[in-house]
Amino acid sequence: GEDVEQSLFLSVREGDSSVINCTYTDSSSTYLYWYKQEPGAGLQLLTYIFSNMDMKQDQRLTVLLNKKDKHLSLRIADTQTGDSAIYFCAEISYDTGRRALTFGSGTRLQVQP
Amino acid sequence: NAGVTQTPKFQVLKTGQSMTLQCAQDMNHNSMYWYRQDPGMGLRLIYYSASEGTTDKGEVPNGYNVSRLNKREFSLRLESAAPSQTSVYFCASSSHQGSGNQPQHFGDGTRLSIL
Repeated sequence: GEDVEQSLFLSVREGDSSVINCTYTDSSSTYLYWYKQEPGAGLQLLTYIFSNMDMKQDQRLTVLLNKKDKHLSLRIADTQTGDSAIYFCAEISYDTGRRALTFGSGTRLQVQP
Repeated sequence: NAGVTQTPKFQVLKTGQSMTLQCAQDMNHNSMYWYRQDPGMGLRLIYYSASEGTTDKGEVPNGYNVSRLNKREFSLRLESAAPSQTSVYFCASSSHQGSGNQPQHFGDGTRLSIL
């Protein structure tokens, strides 16, 4: 079945780049999403990538996809204290007939001033 | 735009009590979902509704029921609450089923404690 895995914690200094990693198991056509969750809030969609793409850039965010290794990363340039949150990787593949996202357990990003 | 609205935001129940969590979306989305979030486990799907009039079980449906009241509203009911159902519950919606990029949009969550 589908599985999405992430490391649990990342600490960086303000101004540095953050790289959050995710691996997934689904091998069919897949959409992969990054969500951000701030304390006490819901999940906010940050960006997404389709499995036929290698990279997507959106302002300070860069998503890299290695299809061979089924590895997804989210790079945040010039990380700010406001970026401190939990980041979730999620995937969905319509080819499998699934109807909802499969989430990783989330990576807590802590930004040190 | 309100997006996805959940009520209540917080609730404390005693074991055995019943409770309905409400969710409404104003984006004219066809599909709606209920997830629960527990520490270190990400979000797990409880039930979903692909379209008005249909509901299906997700990964962890036991102890819950749902109602897709109309296109806008999707409620989650706990008939006899248990301490294991202490969690944060999120409702989400997306435009339609099929294929293509259809990200899910989330409410702010309901924090439920069962004593």
